[in-house]
Amino acid sequence: GAVVSQHPSWVICKSGTSVKIECRSLDFQATTMFWYRQFPKQSLMLMATSNEGSKATYEQGVEKDKFLINHASLTLSTLTVTSAHPEDSSFYICSARIRGREAFFGQGTRLTVV
Amino acid sequence: AQRVTQPEKLLSVFKGAPVELKCNYSYSGSPELFWYVQYSRQRLQLLLRHISRESIKGFTADLNKGETSFHLKKPFAQEEDSAMYYCALSGPLNYGGSQGNLIFGKGTKLSVKP
Repeated sequence: GAVVSQHPSWVICKSGTSVKIECRSLDFQATTMFWYRQFPKQSLMLMATSNEGSKATYEQGVEKDKFLINHASLTLSTLTVTSAHPEDSSFYICSARIRGREAFFGQGTRLTVV
Repeated sequence: AQRVTQPEKLLSVFKGAPVELKCNYSYSGSPELFWYVQYSRQRLQLLLRHISRESIKGFTADLNKGETSFHLKKPFAQEEDSAMYYCALSGPLNYGGSQGNLIFGKGTKLSVKP
């Protein structure tokens, strides 16, 4: 089956620093990946669509300059939370979808900003 | 507006009882409907998609376009069914396009008691 891997699984950082989260499709190529944010006991909210070789498409209300997305290859997308603040603490999940099939999800990254 | 509504936050049943998790959607066009499940400490995984019309782990879901519903059903719940269930929709996955992102409902926590 298709596997999507996220790294790191959890990270703690100081307020004001930047954190990079990687999302890799291990056994398939993904021209499009999606980044979600999940608050405790809440649903997943789409943040942005990451497109290989082009700019990401952000959902309304998501700050492009704060959440930098780079999709440098067909198997890797990165999300960088810049100048992180405690309110950015959350669970970030990426997914990739193969044409004609369902979406596959990474295991998620728990970000805690102190 | 595209929207997925899961009216129940929590559904608690006894083992062997029938289960129905409700899902209604709003979408202009022909969406694809999915049910995803998240077991404790595991990643999201696909349970069902409407176009495959399969029965997975005893669960079925029928798309009712008239009522814009995609309720998930199982005749006899098992304790191992306890998990978080998310209904989701997406537009048709177009080649080369950024469609294919999933819109999630808020989720229903199913608790099956012995």
